Amino acid sequence: AQSVTQLDSQVPVFEEAPVELRCNYSSSVSVYLFWYVQYPNQGLQLLLKYLSGSTLVESINGFEAEFNKSQTSFHLRKPSVHISDTAEYFCAVYLLSNTGKLIFGQGTTLQVKP
Amino acid sequence: KAGVTQTPRYLIKTRGQQVTLSCSPISGHRSVSWYQQTPGQGLQFLFEYFSETQRNKGNFPGRFSGRQFSNSRSEMNVSTLELGDSALYLCASSTDRPPYNEQFFGPGTRLTVL
Repeated sequence: AQSVTQLDSQVPVFEEAPVELRCNYSSSVSVYLFWYVQYPNQGLQLLLKYLSGSTLVESINGFEAEFNKSQTSFHLRKPSVHISDTAEYFCAVYLLSNTGKLIFGQGTTLQVKP
Repeated sequence: KAGVTQTPRYLIKTRGQQVTLSCSPISGHRSVSWYQQTPGQGLQFLFEYFSETQRNKGNFPGRFSGRQFSNSRSEMNVSTLELGDSALYLCASSTDRPPYNEQFFGPGTRLTVL
């Protein structure tokens, strides 16, 4: 069965420090990979996605993630976080054979402190 | 373009009642997926509708049902509500054009069962 594991439930970090949110997945079929962000009382917003091609993908607000097929990982990184990055982050996979269904990890709460 | 809208945003029901939630997708999107988000179970896929047909289904009891109308708007219904049904219900729409269609999420409906 396919699954997604986010290794940290909470990550506290000081403003302007680097951060890495870890995500590992398990699947016997090809997948697409995503990171979503959820701010309080809001829905999910797509942060970035890996479909194919370059294994390093970037978002417009400074986040990046690298697809590592051998380690089945898709860790999210940012070199310098801001207070406004405080939110919950979800890693998700989409199975090419399973339409309309995203499988999510349990989420990681990023707490950026001043 | 207007985003995905969900109504109502908040609902309070009592055990045994039934509830209907509504989702209006982005114009032109024909696929609608529903997810349940709880602190304990995280984000779980309920079902996906495309062209008025349920195309995929998650592991939820039959009390959870849905439908899609010809204008792609979707409703989900939960009958005989239980305390454990308290959750944020999110819907997401996509165009369903290959190879993959980004799912755009609505703000959710917060259901509280007393």
